Amino acid sequence: GQQLNQSPQSMFIQEGEDVSMNCTSSSIFNTWLWYKQDPGEGPVLLIALYKAGELTSNGRLTAQFGITRKDSFLNISASIPSDVGIYFCAGPNFGNEKLTFGTGTRLTIIP
Amino acid sequence: AAGVIQSPRHLIKEKRETATLKCYPIPRHDTVYWYQQGPGQDPQFLISFYEKMQSDKGSIPDRFSAQQFSDYHSELNMSSLELGDSALYFCASSVSDSHEQYFGPGTRLTVT
Repeated sequence: GQQLNQSPQSMFIQEGEDVSMNCTSSSIFNTWLWYKQDPGEGPVLLIALYKAGELTSNGRLTAQFGITRKDSFLNISASIPSDVGIYFCAGPNFGNEKLTFGTGTRLTIIP
Repeated sequence: AAGVIQSPRHLIKEKRETATLKCYPIPRHDTVYWYQQGPGQDPQFLISFYEKMQSDKGSIPDRFSAQQFSDYHSELNMSSLELGDSALYFCASSVSDSHEQYFGPGTRLTVT
């Protein structure tokens, strides 16, 4: 099946720093979704991308749909404590709607 | 805005017992998805329903079954529970022509 690999696996940053993470696939995706999950809670949809090369922002978050359609990037600017959590990329499998999730990037802010 | 509602939030069962998880999608969403998330894992797709019909099936054990009712809510029935079924179970909903799935808060199932 399709696999989504995210890097880095974890990040330790200081408040105010910018964050970059990416997601790569072994096959083409037509849609990329980015979710944030807090411990014990459901994933919250942050950004949806629909076109290769598309760059979309949601507040301090910016995501890009890679030109090859096999990758996507998420950037967070000027991180704040509430940014702590696990960030997942996800995409629908071609031909149906179920989501395949990436391996996740855990973001921790060092006091 | 209304979100996906799941109940119960927490459930403790013993091995070989049964459990029923409920999901109420966002109003006017016609598609429901169930996912299972083990500790430290990403969510894994179990099953989905569109307009009360099963639309896709993932790695769902034969001991589990699900359905979507006329009011679009869905129930996941789990029988002969095993220790390995302990996990977070999420329901998500969407409108049929969108890939954007909105997740509920989850049900944490613990099997002892």
